[in-house]
Amino acid sequence: SQQGEEDPQALSIQEGENATMNCSYKTSINNLQWYRQNSGRGLVHLILIRSNEREKHSGRLRVTLDTSKKSSSLLITASRAADTASYFCATAAGRSNSGYALNFGKGTSLLVTP
Amino acid sequence: SQTIHQWPATLVQPVGSPLSLECTVEGTSNPNLYWYRQAAGRGLQLLFYSVGIGQISSEVPQNLSASRPQDRQFILSSKKLLLSDSGFYLCAWSYDTGRANVLTFGAGSRLTVL
Repeated sequence: SQQGEEDPQALSIQEGENATMNCSYKTSINNLQWYRQNSGRGLVHLILIRSNEREKHSGRLRVTLDTSKKSSSLLITASRAADTASYFCATAAGRSNSGYALNFGKGTSLLVTP
Repeated sequence: SQTIHQWPATLVQPVGSPLSLECTVEGTSNPNLYWYRQAAGRGLQLLFYSVGIGQISSEVPQNLSASRPQDRQFILSSKKLLLSDSGFYLCAWSYDTGRANVLTFGAGSRLTVL
């Protein structure tokens, strides 16, 4: 079942602008992760934020988490054409016998134009 | 370092034909293994996961089956493909690190059923 839902579904910006994507989820979580998928490729892990964290940075990425609102946001600063991809949030199913399989949202498709 | 291989990358199969997609992981032992499917314009749907040899759990009733004959080998199969089986199939692995379960994905297998 899909746990996270990203918003917007699609986002088009110009190079140098910031891109913000949001994710909402339904149940309590241990952590929330963001992944990136280039067209026709596998997903690549970007960043993980734990439930007791409110903000995390990694290079040009900034992730926030609001557990009271069950939402997270991913900010990409100073975007580049190479950032064009789909971005997914993922939350753990939370059962040890499931290998903590992740549930993914439908993703935000980001287009960065030169 | 760990690597994940998935093949074939692309295949076109007629309705009613069998299917076998293979995934292997190198450089690790006793990984958690996963099969996801991504339909066009949609998020990832968890199909199967395995926490050990011979241990397969299915998340969604369907026309597909999975097997784990060896520690680092995960196979997705079907005896008779349906049109609805078309999609992008992704294999992934992770360590069972409890609640911080980061997935590493293969490059994917695109299946078109005609």
